[in-house]
Amino acid sequence: EAQVTQNPRYLITVTGKKLTVTCSQNMNHEYMSWYRQDPGLGLRQIYYSMNVEVTDKGDVPEGYKVSRKEKRNFPLILESPSPNQTSLYFCASRTTPGQTYEQYFGPGTRLTVT
Amino acid sequence: AQSVAQPEDQVNVAEGNPLTVKCTYSVSGNPYLFWYVQYPNRGLQFLLKYITGDNLVKGSYGFEAEFNKSQTSFHLKKPSALVSDSALYFCAVRDMASNYQLIWGAGTKLIIKP
Repeated sequence: EAQVTQNPRYLITVTGKKLTVTCSQNMNHEYMSWYRQDPGLGLRQIYYSMNVEVTDKGDVPEGYKVSRKEKRNFPLILESPSPNQTSLYFCASRTTPGQTYEQYFGPGTRLTVT
Repeated sequence: AQSVAQPEDQVNVAEGNPLTVKCTYSVSGNPYLFWYVQYPNRGLQFLLKYITGDNLVKGSYGFEAEFNKSQTSFHLKKPSALVSDSALYFCAVRDMASNYQLIWGAGTKLIIKP
């Protein structure tokens, strides 16, 4: 089954404790992206990757890091989480970086930073 | 600046009635427009897109959207609402200025009452 998986689905952590949210897709997509969803603000892009070893900042990259060492994986790293990073996070992927067609989204990771 | 607006935070419709969820956009060049749906505790799912051609686009679950260039709108419609259509709906537009990333609306919560 074609899918994007994220782990963990729920995470409660404390300020400053480094964490990684994993994202993996099995569709051989070149493009992957991370978003955060906050009430009233819709989706805001954090980082995206057009292909392996190619990453770019989105609209809200501060406090986040990403890497794209393999085509299928695109982990999101919070080196020193803060309470304002409490949010619902989605990973997404799609084919053909130059054409914005259908994106496939993971189920989401709900992060709470206390 | 390129933008997408969903003017209604919430839309309430009685089951069996037609529904409309509004979206307006502002982009340079020809717009690529999208609708996604998010059911509770799920990731976003692609519904439909407009790239070119017929102004009336048909998508999943009986939804359709009408592209209106003069009004810069892309409203989502369904002739007869189902309770199961209750969800959060997002409109998005391709942003040519930022490497073809998507600009997202804030989302509209659709509530279908039995």
